[in-house]
Amino acid sequence: EVVMTQSPLSLPVTLGQPASISCTSSQSLVYSEGTTYLNWFVQRPGQPPRRLIYKVSNRDSGVPDRFSGSGSGTHFTLKISRVEAEDVGVYYCMQGTHWPLTFGGGTKVEIK
Amino acid sequence: QVQLQQWGAGLLKPSETLSLTCVVSGGSFRGYYWSWIRQPPGKGLEWIGEVTYTGVTNYNPSLKSRIAISLDTSRKQFSLRMTTLTAADAAMYYCWRRGYDPSSDSWGQGTLVTVSS
Repeated sequence: EVVMTQSPLSLPVTLGQPASISCTSSQSLVYSEGTTYLNWFVQRPGQPPRRLIYKVSNRDSGVPDRFSGSGSGTHFTLKISRVEAEDVGVYYCMQGTHWPLTFGGGTKVEIK
Repeated sequence: QVQLQQWGAGLLKPSETLSLTCVVSGGSFRGYYWSWIRQPPGKGLEWIGEVTYTGVTNYNPSLKSRIAISLDTSRKQFSLRMTTLTAADAAMYYCWRRGYDPSSDSWGQGTLVTVSS
C-alpha cells in the first residue's frame, strides 16, 4: 500500500502568520488518466473530518481562499496564508489514486 | 445538500459482528464512492472500504476477510458488516461520501464502537 508521510507532526503557529504542511507519498499519485488524487482534510475535536482540498489544488465549497494546495508526483503541500483561530485542528493528507486508500498520520495545528 | 446519518450498535463483545448503516438524504448515489472510515481513540484515520452505485466494492486488504459493504438504493442507505471483532476494532466509525466535485465530500456523525467482554 502507499505510505503517506506528513511533516511536521505538530505545528504551533502565530495568528495571522502563514503555515505549511508537507505530505510525501511512497509512490507516484498520478493515475493512469493523468489526474492526481491527493486530498487534504481537517478534523476538529469531536467532529468528523472535513475535506479542504481535492485533486491537489482544488478547494471544496466554502473553504476560505487562505487555504491552498500544491505539488505533484510524490510531494505535496498544504499552505494557510494567514492562520486564524478556527484553523486549529489536525490536518490529514489522503491519496485516492491507489487502493487501499491511505491517509497521512496527521499534523496538529495549534496557536502559539 | 446531502446528509449522512449513521446508526448501529456501539457496544459489542469480542467475536461478535458489527453492523452499521448510513442513511443518505438529499443526494444521488450515482457518481460517488460510499465509504467507511474508522479512527481508534487518539489515532489517525483508516479507510475500511467502499461501494459504488453499481455495487462494485473495494476493501482494505487488512480487513477484507472480515468485512462486507453493501448498498441499497431503494432504501437510500449503505451498510458495513464486520465479523469476529477484537479489541483492536474499537474505534469511531464514519460513513463517508467520496467524490471529486466541490460539494461531494460528506460525512456521517460517527459511531463509537467499543469491544469489551
